[in-house]
Amino acid sequence: AAGVIQSPRHLIKEKRETATLKCYPIPRHDTVYWYQQGPGQDPQFLISFYEKMQSDKGSIPDRFSAQQFSDYHSELNMSSLELGDSALYFCASSLEGPRETQYFGPGTRLLVL
Amino acid sequence: TQLLEQSPQFLSIQEGENLTVYCNSSSVFSSLQWYRQEPGEGPVLLVTVVTGGEVKKLKRLTFQFGDARKDSSLHITAAQTGDTGLYLCAGRVGAGSYQLTFGKGTKLSVIP
Repeated sequence: AAGVIQSPRHLIKEKRETATLKCYPIPRHDTVYWYQQGPGQDPQFLISFYEKMQSDKGSIPDRFSAQQFSDYHSELNMSSLELGDSALYFCASSLEGPRETQYFGPGTRLLVL
Repeated sequence: TQLLEQSPQFLSIQEGENLTVYCNSSSVFSSLQWYRQEPGEGPVLLVTVVTGGEVKKLKRLTFQFGDARKDSSLHITAAQTGDTGLYLCAGRVGAGSYQLTFGKGTKLSVIP
């Protein structure tokens, strides 16, 4: 079965640079979510989109923005990167609904030097 | 304050033993998921429970959702070395919430 696809899988950036992470949801899934997981931490919710509209917002820094496109894929744009942004970034997708299960991608490991 | 409390945090058992992991909260969840995560990988779904009192079985794994939908447990029978990993519970609080709140996880080591 098709899974969530994330690219790139690994990314190294310098401080103050920008980064764009991409997420391709499972076919027919219309809702995408972004999570950040620091070393030894549990995943923290950043933001979600349903039908190209932001559906919920968590602890996403103002330096980050995201959007969902008409083909349901999503991009997380990160600017003015800081050392503390180094983490695993997961995208998840689901069908719309309060009880729908979120399926996670393999993640993008971002290292900011 | 952690919305979802998982216990124990670490568990080391011998192969063949049984174990139970708990996930507790003071909040009501519209649904709750159990995931397993390997280092550097994304969480892989094990089960979703949505109905209070629900019990689901996945081979040697038994998942239970509390009657009040505030807690859940994962029981593994006759643990195998392949069960070693990080087990995470996660839930959505409230009907209108999209975000998943995760517990801190239980790191299980099954020793041969």
